[in-house]
Amino acid sequence: KQEVTQIPAALSVPEGENLVLNCSFTDSAIYNLQWFRQDPGKGLTSLLLIQSSQREQTSGRLNASLDKSSGRSTLYIAASQPGDSATYLCAITGNQFYFGTGTSLTVIP
Amino acid sequence: DAGVIQSPRHEVTEMGQEVTLRCKPISGHNSLFWYRQTMMRGLELLIYFNNNVPIDDSGMPEDRFSAKMPNASFSTLKIQPSEPRDSAVYFCASSYSGISGYEQFFGPGTRLTVL
Repeated sequence: KQEVTQIPAALSVPEGENLVLNCSFTDSAIYNLQWFRQDPGKGLTSLLLIQSSQREQTSGRLNASLDKSSGRSTLYIAASQPGDSATYLCAITGNQFYFGTGTSLTVIP
Repeated sequence: DAGVIQSPRHEVTEMGQEVTLRCKPISGHNSLFWYRQTMMRGLELLIYFNNNVPIDDSGMPEDRFSAKMPNASFSTLKIQPSEPRDSAVYFCASSYSGISGYEQFFGPGTRLTVL
């Protein structure tokens, strides 16, 4: 069974700092990996989707990478802002669908 | 497009009552997913449909839970009878399932409280 781990569970950084969120998975047989953000009491907003054949995807200040051989994905956020404060989840699509437990990010003004 | 629509947004019911959650996927999407989110267990996939057909319901916790998708624009998740441990946020998501897999788009969720 696929296991998806996100470390750290919580992260607090000052505004303007660049940061990296990590997602690890145990089974490299995946179709794609998707990063979401979830604001308190809200649904999930899709940020980036990386296909299994891709190495990275970029959208604005966000860059996601995928290394299937090592079972890792990272979400890089440049020049963090207080509005980036949310929980970030990674999701794996393989034979089934698995979510990580998320990293709660707080960007301090 | 209005995105994935879920109703009701909040539901409070008493133990033993039947609960029906509703979802309208994004037009043109052919896959639909039901998830449950709790603090203890995070996001769990309950069931998903492809072209209105249930593909994997292994995440459905027990026989009290059932899901239907009578057509491409509507799905229901029913709990009968409901129990306090069913209290959670239930999300519906949809995607277009092509050869490149699924990019899922989530609805706002239904917060269920069973007293």
